[in-house]
Amino acid sequence: GENVEQHPSTLSVQEGDSAVIKCTYSDSASNYFPWYKQELGKRPQLIIDIRSNVGEKKDQRIAVTLNKTAKHFSLHITETQPEDSAVYFCAASASGANNLFFGTGTRLTVIP
Amino acid sequence: GAGVSQSPSNKVTEKGKDVELRCDPISGHTALYWYRQSLGQGLEFLIYFQGNSAPDKSGLPSDRFSAERTGGSVSTLTIQRTQQEDSAVYLCASSLDGGQRGYTFGSGTRLTVV
Repeated sequence: GENVEQHPSTLSVQEGDSAVIKCTYSDSASNYFPWYKQELGKRPQLIIDIRSNVGEKKDQRIAVTLNKTAKHFSLHITETQPEDSAVYFCAASASGANNLFFGTGTRLTVIP
Repeated sequence: GAGVSQSPSNKVTEKGKDVELRCDPISGHTALYWYRQSLGQGLEFLIYFQGNSAPDKSGLPSDRFSAERTGGSVSTLTIQRTQQEDSAVYLCASSLDGGQRGYTFGSGTRLTVV
């Protein structure tokens, strides 16, 4: 089955700096890669996703890149703000699969 | 409904008692998932239901855990003879069409076994 690894487990950045979280996956059939943000005490919420027919997707300060050859995808947050502090989960799913495989999460702290 | 609803939001139970956790998915979502999240930890997959197919129970940690989904909608997760290590937040999620559409999570049930 699919195995998703996520790094780093914790990340601290100064407000205004960029943050990058990286994930790798094992199943070459995976073609859908969502990212979830979970604020303290809240539910995980989908913030951005990418499919394997594109290499990059942006939504304001958030971007995700995908390298299918290397089986690697990353979340990039620019101009970080304190409200970006949360745990971020990456995930992967293959076409026809019924579930997502999640990474272990990255706790991002943005220092004001 | 507008979102995934879970009840109760908090549950404190004595060790050895049985508990039932409820999940009401978004109307029309065919897939429903249960995850467990211990304090400060990741998302541990428990079980999922997809339409009328047999559920994937591969993540259930022991035979004390079971789940049902009636009429393709509401699901109940039952934990029998609860133990302290069962204390966690139990998250339910639903999806329009399995893993290719992303999940919508409920707010979870925080279970504390004392």
